[in-house]
Amino acid sequence: AQKITQTQPGMFVQEKEAVTLDCTYDTSDPSYGLFWYKQPSSGEMIFLIYQGSYDQQNATEGRYSLNFQKARKSANLVISASQLGDSAMYFCAMRRNTGFQKLVFGTGTRLLVSP
Amino acid sequence: NAGVMQNPRHLVRRRGQEARLRCSPMKGHSHVYWYRQLPEEGLKFMVYLQKENIIDESGMPKERFSAEFPKEGPSILRIQQVVRGDSAAYFCASSPAGTGIYEQYFGPGTRLTVT
Repeated sequence: AQKITQTQPGMFVQEKEAVTLDCTYDTSDPSYGLFWYKQPSSGEMIFLIYQGSYDQQNATEGRYSLNFQKARKSANLVISASQLGDSAMYFCAMRRNTGFQKLVFGTGTRLLVSP
Repeated sequence: NAGVMQNPRHLVRRRGQEARLRCSPMKGHSHVYWYRQLPEEGLKFMVYLQKENIIDESGMPKERFSAEFPKEGPSILRIQQVVRGDSAAYFCASSPAGTGIYEQYFGPGTRLTVT
């Protein structure tokens, strides 16, 4: 079975600073993918970044980067130069890359960016 | 290129009524996933469907919930005799295939309130 753990219920950061949101995972599958989604107060789920288990380099998408440490089973999201619009819930998720691919989500971290 | 469409966006039902939630996948996508998000929680997988087939319903409650994805038309998630505990956001996601490395694209969600 797969499991995602997000231990930070809430995080605060000042505008323009960097912030790291923690995510650890557990799986017995050799091939899997890790995702981060943003959920603003409007409620939609916005895909941010993807990391494959066999990818050699950490994924980056603009201000978002994923600090993937396979041996530690962690996939932390780093947001650089935080903006007020980054205030939202952030969910880490994973799925196996073989067979049927339902996503397993963590409980989320609420990020608040202050001016 | 329309994204995943869900309707209605908000649905209010009294206890005991039926709720019907609709999901139209992205063009060219034949795989649909339904997830439920209870207040202050992450998304939980409910069911995975291909056209005219239920592939994995391991996350569906045993009673009152059903899903279908007909050959023509949207996928429907049906909740019979709703109870207050069914109040949640229901998200649909679609992908072009069920296996292989494909991203799931989420719709905006349907917020169900049971009074």
